[in-house]
Amino acid sequence: DSGVTQTPKHLITATGQRVTLRCSPRSGDLSVYWYQQSLDQGLQFLIQYYNGEERAKGNILERFSAQQFPDLHSELNLSSLELGDSALYFCASSPPPGQGNEQYFGPGTRLTVT
Amino acid sequence: AQKVTQAQTEISVVEKEDVTLDCVYETRDTTYYLFWYKQPPSGELVFLIRRNSFDEQNEISGRYSWNFQKSTSSFNFTITASQVVDSAVYFCALIRTSGTYKYIFGTGTRLKVLA
Repeated sequence: DSGVTQTPKHLITATGQRVTLRCSPRSGDLSVYWYQQSLDQGLQFLIQYYNGEERAKGNILERFSAQQFPDLHSELNLSSLELGDSALYFCASSPPPGQGNEQYFGPGTRLTVT
Repeated sequence: AQKVTQAQTEISVVEKEDVTLDCVYETRDTTYYLFWYKQPPSGELVFLIRRNSFDEQNEISGRYSWNFQKSTSSFNFTITASQVVDSAVYFCALIRTSGTYKYIFGTGTRLKVLA
């Protein structure tokens, strides 16, 4: 158990809908990362937050948005869903600088868009 | 442009054999990070190592070792005395932190360790 939780584990929804994926980092970790893994695109980095602030942005679509709340949990919002958004979405957390280089991954949320 | 190439799509070895997974990267930056991740058949992602571009020391962790060579832009991963539990897809990644942030994954190498 990495200590990172993600909910829900599975999500099935229709095209055009909006969903929210939730991630709770390990206790003490300030950084949260979001990744997408699909058959077409492989693994992609979406976005990183550090202590509530956006730190880095990757291949995140404009239809997607994320935030990190004061309690450090993070949410990834996916809207106007398309079939191609079907993927496994991982979040990870990492310790503050100077406290280790590791990343700890959650179990992922499998999103199926029909 | 940044690029990560894992030319080995799939490797099969017999248990106890040593195996090296190749990772070749392209970047013009002098400051970057390299990562290796493991994804077992159960599907979760596991962080293995992070290396920054200024640290060319090889690293050993148990049966795992990493050989970072800037001269050949490679960051290869060796598993010594492989075990069935090492069967997984292994991803190499490059992160560019100067200028426009870039986080690029290789396509992965599927390792099958046969009993």
